[in-house]
Amino acid sequence: DAGVTQSPTHLIKTRGQQVTLRCSPISGHKSVSWYQQVLGQGPQFIFQYYEKEERGRGNFPDRFSARQFPNYSSELNVNALLLGDSALYLCASSLEYNPGELFFGEGSRLTVL
Amino acid sequence: QQQVKQSPQSLIVQKGGISIINCAYENTAFDYFPWYQQFPGKGPALLIAIRPDVSEKKEGRFTISFNKSAKQFSLHIMDSQPGDSATYFCAASNEGSYDKVIFGPGTSLSVIP
Repeated sequence: DAGVTQSPTHLIKTRGQQVTLRCSPISGHKSVSWYQQVLGQGPQFIFQYYEKEERGRGNFPDRFSARQFPNYSSELNVNALLLGDSALYLCASSLEYNPGELFFGEGSRLTVL
Repeated sequence: QQQVKQSPQSLIVQKGGISIINCAYENTAFDYFPWYQQFPGKGPALLIAIRPDVSEKKEGRFTISFNKSAKQFSLHIMDSQPGDSATYFCAASNEGSYDKVIFGPGTSLSVIP
């Protein structure tokens, strides 16, 4: 079975631009979470979605938004990019009965110049 | 209160030795404590997890020790191998509330021959 897939794997943007990152969860997983991982740090929670509804939001500005589609795939959008948004953005899916067991994709590496 | 603390930041162990990573938490509502392993360029992968109703869980060379009263838990890697060289993250969540998973800052483990 395919794992969590994310696209694009790498991208470079300039300050002020907007970016959309995409994630396809493991088949049968209805929950998707997004994390930001700055180099040398642990993943920081951004959003959690379950059955297309936002279940949780981390301490990130309103420039960050996300949504989940009927097929449970998800998008993360970041507007007005700042240099500090440069990071690895990780998507994870999980089963409803074991939401703490996250299955991560390999991430999208965003560089903001 | 949502923070998970982790030490040491980095660890060098000789092949065949025991690697020990320690974590502490404050939120007594946490009821699921996973450990994730991350190799360079990859997303984190679940290694082993424990719930607070047991004090120890062992899977192969990996053991979690859990001290509920002290709000601490640790990962022991027995007979450490060069292939274990990776970054390890402890984490915690309140599964009962379908809450987000909080990650520690990570420990970079190097196992030298």
